[in-house]
Amino acid sequence: QSALTQEASVSGTVGQKVTLSCTGNNNNVGTYTVGWYQQISHGAPKTVMIGNSLASGIPDRFSASKSGTTASLIISGLQPEDEADYYCSTWDYRLNAWVFGGGTKLTVL
Amino acid sequence: EVQLVASGGGLVQPGGSLRLSCAASGFTFGSYWMRWVRQAPGKGLEWVANVDQDGREKLYVDSVRGRFTISRDNAKNSVHLQMNSLRAEDTAFYFCARDNGGTPDYWGQGTLVTVSS
Repeated sequence: QSALTQEASVSGTVGQKVTLSCTGNNNNVGTYTVGWYQQISHGAPKTVMIGNSLASGIPDRFSASKSGTTASLIISGLQPEDEADYYCSTWDYRLNAWVFGGGTKLTVL
Repeated sequence: EVQLVASGGGLVQPGGSLRLSCAASGFTFGSYWMRWVRQAPGKGLEWVANVDQDGREKLYVDSVRGRFTISRDNAKNSVHLQMNSLRAEDTAFYFCARDNGGTPDYWGQGTLVTVSS
């Protein structure tokens, strides 16, 4: 059981706006910067967002937000190449560990 | 261009040892924390260990503390993970990553560790 909760799967059509969520608590998401990572076919993860900042080489259709203990990754104008697994992660000071969400499988219909 | 190349994975028997290495290039290696993250087949990502710029401060997930040791060689731009007393549940792809402001920003490809008799 992951410390951070993500949807198991989300789907959308090309051009659609989709939102992936990452819910934690005040020990983690509510206090620390959340990172978002894209993984295609179990290859090397790629950093998409660090907090509200786009990682290097990531298109600006990706954005992120946080409200309280829930962080969100927003993809505006979904593209076929966005189909992947997405993970969120942050520090948890109670667990004294970096924690990941269980991952969301994004399908582009 | 930032590059991280992991190596050292393989098949090892339960109770055995393995040493993973990650060769870094394209940035000032000694200025960044580094970490290892693993992924068991068909499962999600799990943080394993972090090491600070000098190699003095090290953090581990509970499940590997006392069995795994993270280290770095700033002269050779490399970070290592010495894994002892390996268990079946340690079977996974192991990824090295660079930390930037406390969060990974660049990742290397994985190296597969299989613990089986």
